[in-house]
Amino acid sequence: DTAVSQTPKYLVTQMGNDKSIKCEQNLGHDTMYWYKQDSKKFLKIMFSYNNKELIINETVPNRFSPKSPDKAHLNLHINSLELGDSAVYFCASRIGGLAGGQETQYFGPGTRLLVL
Amino acid sequence: DQQVKQNSPSLSVQEGRISILNCDYTNSMFDYFLWYKKYPAEGPTFLISISSIKDKNEDGRFTVFLNKSAKHLSLHIVPSQPGDSAVYFCAASAGSSNTGKLIFGQGTTLQVKP
Repeated sequence: DTAVSQTPKYLVTQMGNDKSIKCEQNLGHDTMYWYKQDSKKFLKIMFSYNNKELIINETVPNRFSPKSPDKAHLNLHINSLELGDSAVYFCASRIGGLAGGQETQYFGPGTRLLVL
Repeated sequence: DQQVKQNSPSLSVQEGRISILNCDYTNSMFDYFLWYKKYPAEGPTFLISISSIKDKNEDGRFTVFLNKSAKHLSLHIVPSQPGDSAVYFCAASAGSSNTGKLIFGQGTTLQVKP
C-alpha cells in the first residue's frame, strides 16, 4: 500500500498545453503539499492545503492552480505549460493541523514533467 | 535568498567508516530540522529529525547534531553501508508558522564504496 501516490509518474507534453497531476494519501493526514524540484535539484514549496483549505501559496505563477476535493487528495493543474515548468513535482502530506508545525512530511514518488 | 545550505554537493566514504553531512541555516526562527534521504526516481524518505530544544538525536546508525549558536547541523552515519548511497537533504521549519512549511537545502550526494 503506497502511502502517498502520484499520477502520472512521467508526463511529456507540448508547450501551451494544460495538464493535471494527481496526488492521493491514505495516511489520514490533514495537510498536503506540492513541491517542485528544478534542474538544480532544489526542492521548493509551492502550495499547501489543510483539510481542503489553502494555507501556503508561494510566489508561483497563477498558471498553477491546486485543487483539493477532499483532505486525501491534492491535485495540481497547470495551464499554458512553458519550457521552464519542466521539473519533478512532489506531493507530500503530514498529520497536520495548524498546531502541528513539528511533524514529519511524507513524500510521494514524484511526477517527472517534461515540456517540449 | 537560500536559508538552508548544504555546501558539499557530494561526499565519498569507504564502507564501515563514518559519513558526516553538514547543513547550515540562516533563519533563527527555524526550530525543527529534518534529514531526508532520496534515491533516484523516488521521493524523499524521512530519516531523522531534531527539535531546537535538543542538541543531539540518535536513531540506530544515524545521529543528528544541532549547534544553534553556529546555526549548523550535521548528520553522522556510522558505520556507513553501500545502501546508504543516496542524496541527503537537510530541511528546516519554523514551528511557529504552524503550516509545517519546509525549507530544503540543495542536497549532498553520498557515495559509500564497498
